[in-house]
Amino acid sequence: NAGVTQTPKFQVLKTGQSMTLQCAQDMNHNSMYWYRQDPGMGLRLIYYSASEGTTDKGEVPNGYNVSRLNKREFSLRLESAAPSQTSVYFCASSERRQGISNEQYFGPGTRLTVT
Amino acid sequence: TQLLEQSPQFLSIQEGENLTVYCNSSSVFSSLQWYRQEPGEGPVLLVTVVTGGEVKKLKRLTFQFGDARKDSSLHITAAQPGDTGLYLCAGTGGTSYGKLTFGQGTILTVHP
Repeated sequence: NAGVTQTPKFQVLKTGQSMTLQCAQDMNHNSMYWYRQDPGMGLRLIYYSASEGTTDKGEVPNGYNVSRLNKREFSLRLESAAPSQTSVYFCASSERRQGISNEQYFGPGTRLTVT
Repeated sequence: TQLLEQSPQFLSIQEGENLTVYCNSSSVFSSLQWYRQEPGEGPVLLVTVVTGGEVKKLKRLTFQFGDARKDSSLHITAAQPGDTGLYLCAGTGGTSYGKLTFGQGTILTVHP
């Protein structure tokens, strides 16, 4: 049982380049999330998908796009990378239930540097 | 926007000492979670508290949810080097579908 997997683990981009971060979960969860983690700022939600076929903006969506390809996969795209997007990106998944939080399962992260 | 303020941001203690990490907000949360994260890995859930005043114990860790559901604390008794890591609190508002608001995190270092 792999849980949540992310690729790549590390990436260096030049300003203006584009790339897609891939995420997949094998727990049959309805909800999936993309976060970025910066020093002293905890995790900030970029986009989430409450269920297959739906996506919505989180706290810091500017500069990013997402695709919920199917129930298993949720990708994050940077169309034109900027140095401010240097961060560690985490994908997570959970069961969908209103109100009370279900446990979110996190992937190992992608460390992105934009020069 | 719901905000969670975590304190302290850094904590460096000796093995055997006790410590408390606080998580505070001006907003009411329907539930609150505590996660632990080790370097190079994603966060892992430690506990979820859902009832105001609730206290949960996990071995040497004690978690409390404030009566008004606006704050929480994590207390570790007799800390060990294996407790070293980043501790994150995260809350959910009543109308969200599992969306979490995270605090900034507390980096704990326990020296042998």
